[in-house]
Amino acid sequence: DAKTTQPNSMESNEEEPVHLPCNHSTISGTDYIHWYRQLPSQGPEYVIHGLTSNVNNRMASLAIAEDRKSSTLILHRATLRDAAVYYCISYNQGGKLIFGQGTELSVKP
Amino acid sequence: EPEVTQTPSHQVTQMGQEVILRCVPISNHLYFYWYRQILGQKVEFLVSFYNNEISEKSEIFDDQFSVERPDGSNFTLKIRSTKLEDSAMYFCASRPGGGANVLTFGAGSRLTVL
Repeated sequence: DAKTTQPNSMESNEEEPVHLPCNHSTISGTDYIHWYRQLPSQGPEYVIHGLTSNVNNRMASLAIAEDRKSSTLILHRATLRDAAVYYCISYNQGGKLIFGQGTELSVKP
Repeated sequence: EPEVTQTPSHQVTQMGQEVILRCVPISNHLYFYWYRQILGQKVEFLVSFYNNEISEKSEIFDDQFSVERPDGSNFTLKIRSTKLEDSAMYFCASRPGGGANVLTFGAGSRLTVL
């Protein structure tokens, strides 16, 4: 699975959009980009995943660069409950998830 | 929404004691995992399990660790002789087979070894 690079931390204001970047320059053509998050004192939670096209679900949107070397997780309106560590994972479907350090998102009221 | 259930939520044990952490994965899932997270560190893969056998394990998963699916619902992690450095949160996860590769994690079991 390819290595991903994320900023250690980001800050956002409540009810504003948040763009969480991820670089995965060595990603292979068959690896999906998965995002998970971990709320304080909880287990990781699936957010979204994609291969090439941008994806939307009820939690977030995922914008994938055309060359697939980077992606951005978009939270459209951050709430206090979105404060968490967000993990971008390059995942060879069927294998294991390998977690990095992730981005710690803090949301200010 | 279906969830992965883990027990106990917190266990305190003496060094050298055996510990069993239990997990009830989502009922139609076929792949099962254990991860651990030492306080302040990242989530680390321990082992994956499919079709009643270990499919992959990490260097952390040494002879002191074992996993079992004793019946159709439970998935257990046993640590034979606990060490201080085994203190961590242990997360169980499961996923369906086929094309769906999203893991669902439990809330975790906190193990404290004294």
